[in-house]
Amino acid sequence: GQNIDQPTEMTATEGAIVQINCTYQTSGFNGLFWYQQHAGEAPTFLSYNVLDGLEEKGRFSSFLSRSKGYSYLLLKELQMKDSASYLCAVTDSNYQLIWGAGTKLIIKP
Amino acid sequence: ETGVTQTPRHLVMGMTNKKSLKCEQHLGHNAMYWYKQSAKKPLELMFVYSLEERVENNSVPSRFSPECPNSSHLFLHLHTLQPEDSALYLCASSPREEGDYNEQFFGPGTRLTVL
Repeated sequence: GQNIDQPTEMTATEGAIVQINCTYQTSGFNGLFWYQQHAGEAPTFLSYNVLDGLEEKGRFSSFLSRSKGYSYLLLKELQMKDSASYLCAVTDSNYQLIWGAGTKLIIKP
Repeated sequence: ETGVTQTPRHLVMGMTNKKSLKCEQHLGHNAMYWYKQSAKKPLELMFVYSLEERVENNSVPSRFSPECPNSSHLFLHLHTLQPEDSALYLCASSPREEGDYNEQFFGPGTRLTVL
């Protein structure tokens, strides 16, 4: 079967750095997405990786290792507004998105 | 309006009611999706429409009935729902092209409570 694993919840301090991991087992791979979802709101796109390596976009970076079936989202200089759920999703061989359950990130002052 | 909109934002219904959820996208996309989001569970893909044709139906109970009259509008008709159907229902759209990474744009969702 297809499976995406990510931690259920993480806590970090304002101004610090946090890394949210995602491992996947899917039938084929055509890219990995990270989405951010604030409570009661729609998921919004953060990043996309299809090749191995690090993609940096401001305070957020996303890393992919296809051989290990592994990705992480790195958030730097954490702000209170970064408190949200972070969803990892993989596009399989049929170009369907397989979703993880999301990681709830709690930022403390 | 821009992006993906959904109405209503909140809905409370009894198990014998019939209601419909509406989704509208203003992004020129040709694929639209219905998802169910329950607490602490992955997003569950329910239906996919591509160019107004249903291309995916993930074993969804018949009490959920989708309709896509054109590429900008998507409905989810509900009847005789069960309490376990209470969830956030998200609509999304994307440009569905072979070989494209089809980033999906989501609406704000409808919070459904079935009594």
